[in-house]
Amino acid sequence: DTGVSQDPRHKITKRGQNVTFRCDPISEHNRLYWYRQTLGQGPEFLTYFQNEAQLEKSRLLSDRFSAERPKGSFSTLEIQRTEQGDSAMYLCASSSQGVPLFGPGTRLTVL
Amino acid sequence: AQSVSQHNHHVILSEAASLELGCNYSYGGTVNLFWYVQYPGQHLQLLLKYFSGDPLVKGIKGFEAEFIKSKFSFNLRKPSVQWSDTAEYFCAVNGGMNRDDKIIFGKGTRLHILP
Repeated sequence: DTGVSQDPRHKITKRGQNVTFRCDPISEHNRLYWYRQTLGQGPEFLTYFQNEAQLEKSRLLSDRFSAERPKGSFSTLEIQRTEQGDSAMYLCASSSQGVPLFGPGTRLTVL
Repeated sequence: AQSVSQHNHHVILSEAASLELGCNYSYGGTVNLFWYVQYPGQHLQLLLKYFSGDPLVKGIKGFEAEFIKSKFSFNLRKPSVQWSDTAEYFCAVNGGMNRDDKIIFGKGTRLHILP
């Protein structure tokens, strides 16, 4: 296990379609985080999990967004009815000792 | 609410120049502080962190940062930069006793080193 992995790395979709991203954290890490990053900005917090429990959701996360971590291992982030404003890099991180380690991200482009 | 302010959005330096990137945070209690770096085409990597103890922390690649509680600051420094330090640098804060709480990022400073 060399780190946090995310799939896919790139996703191009048409407005109105649903998309789902997957994150596989470092295996012994019990915290998992989702962030969104747009050009020229720092990562913005979306949500995070302690094992399978979702602890907090940002106000940025509208009803079209949902995240799960069903068995406390991998996590999925789904965006329904995508909008052009959803175009961004979606980052996943995991931690166990207070230091989030990030994956490579999924770049979403909504046409 | 926690927030992080990075004063310099874009910094251009020549090789061997000294570097200091400013970071201020707003949170009144115990804080954990981080600097992350994102090299072109790569993902975010941890540069250094402060949890407690010596306020001068050393990270990878010759970087260091000093936590000054009275100024709510955690500035990043490097005495002599290299062309390979060209990257975007993000300061981040986690407020509270639980180190695994979410961290809040600043908007980043894009550093460009001229060869």
